[in-house]
Amino acid sequence: RKEVEQDPGPFNVPEGATVAFNCTYSNSASQSFFWYRQDCRKEPKLLMSVYSSGNEDGRFTAQLNRASQYISLLIRDSKLSDSATYLCVVSYSSASKIIFGSGTRLSIRP
Amino acid sequence: GAGVSQSPSNKVTEKGKDVELRCDPISGHTALYWYRQSLGQGLEFLIYFQGNSAPDKSGLPSDRFSAERTGGSVSTLTIQRTQQEDSAVYLCASSFGGRTGELFFGEGSRLTVL
Repeated sequence: RKEVEQDPGPFNVPEGATVAFNCTYSNSASQSFFWYRQDCRKEPKLLMSVYSSGNEDGRFTAQLNRASQYISLLIRDSKLSDSATYLCVVSYSSASKIIFGSGTRLSIRP
Repeated sequence: GAGVSQSPSNKVTEKGKDVELRCDPISGHTALYWYRQSLGQGLEFLIYFQGNSAPDKSGLPSDRFSAERTGGSVSTLTIQRTQQEDSAVYLCASSFGGRTGELFFGEGSRLTVL
């Protein structure tokens, strides 16, 4: 079983829709959580950190459920420019242990 | 530039040849990571450097892979006797030590082994 698992998608939704995807992690020692965005043939870039109490950044909301060991990302009022692959990232107290999920592909259609 | 710089951006080589990939991290970043991403796949951790500590080499797939970081800055990933399965994009990332998970990536080196 992979340490970090994501639904690969693709999720194909119309512009303006709300879309959500989850990520599960297997190691309860995980301490920090992040969502990265990767555009086609580009490098990953940090989208947002995920805090225990949940957090918002504009149209994006991230939540963490430690008991069930999953994190989620919600995108409201989706834009064409949101089309990308979203990578779930988990890290541990040892900075070397930063694990990336395989990513969820999102495609927004006009 | 202010970002992570990698070279070459593209490298085509023949099976059995050695290749060197270079990464120049963001100035002041003490942590440096190498990842590999095959087509349509996620990022596979290869190696991590933090300051003057011994590197974490646990992700290197075979002894044909090695990496070094000179002077706590520039890093070189070397692949000896390349195989076709080594074809991938090799991504380097750096971070300010202690802020785990907030990585800044270079644009990657796309390696094709014929």
